[in-house]
Amino acid sequence: DAGVTQSPTHLIKTRGQQVTLRCSPKSGHDTVSWYQQALGQGPQFIFQYYEEEERQRGNFPDRFSGHQFPNYSSELNVNALLLGDSALYLCASSEPLAVGDTQYFGPGTRLTVL
Amino acid sequence: GENVEQHPSTLSVQEGDSAVIKCTYSDSASNYFPWYKQELGKRPQLIIDIRSNVGEKKDQRIAVTLNKTAKHFSLHITETQPEDSAVYFCAASEHTGTASKLTFGTGTRLQVTL
Repeated sequence: DAGVTQSPTHLIKTRGQQVTLRCSPKSGHDTVSWYQQALGQGPQFIFQYYEEEERQRGNFPDRFSGHQFPNYSSELNVNALLLGDSALYLCASSEPLAVGDTQYFGPGTRLTVL
Repeated sequence: GENVEQHPSTLSVQEGDSAVIKCTYSDSASNYFPWYKQELGKRPQLIIDIRSNVGEKKDQRIAVTLNKTAKHFSLHITETQPEDSAVYFCAASEHTGTASKLTFGTGTRLQVTL
């Protein structure tokens, strides 16, 4: 049983570019959350997707957007990249929210913005 | 919104000693408190969690206590081993059944020395 997977592992972009990160949840999980982890800090909540809708959003600008597909996988898109967007982007999946909320993390995508 | 404070930021103990990490939260609606261990370059891994209807939970050498009145919870690791060396994050969330957002502390770097 595969756990949470993310792609790509690493990514280098330049300021102003756009990036798309991908996440496949753990089998049996239908809820996907995205977090940004800057170096030396705790993960910061970006948003959560459930039933293909954004259910909750953290304090991130509209440059950050997402999508969830019918197979529960998800994408995180970031437009107009800034140097400050350099971070580890973590995806976490969880069981149906009516059942539980334990979140399991993927290995992350390391984004470097030059 | 929720705010989670975590102390200490670094902790050094000798192998075999105990380690205690403390967190406080601000939102009385929070009802779920997980602890994650993150080794360098790896994903955060859930090590133990506790819900607001329980005061203490133990899993082998790891235990978590929760004081809802004081809004604080603690991680206790007994008989520490070198492989316990990592960064530990506490988190809090309010599980509503339709959304669940984790707010993380700033992390504690635990070093277990021989």
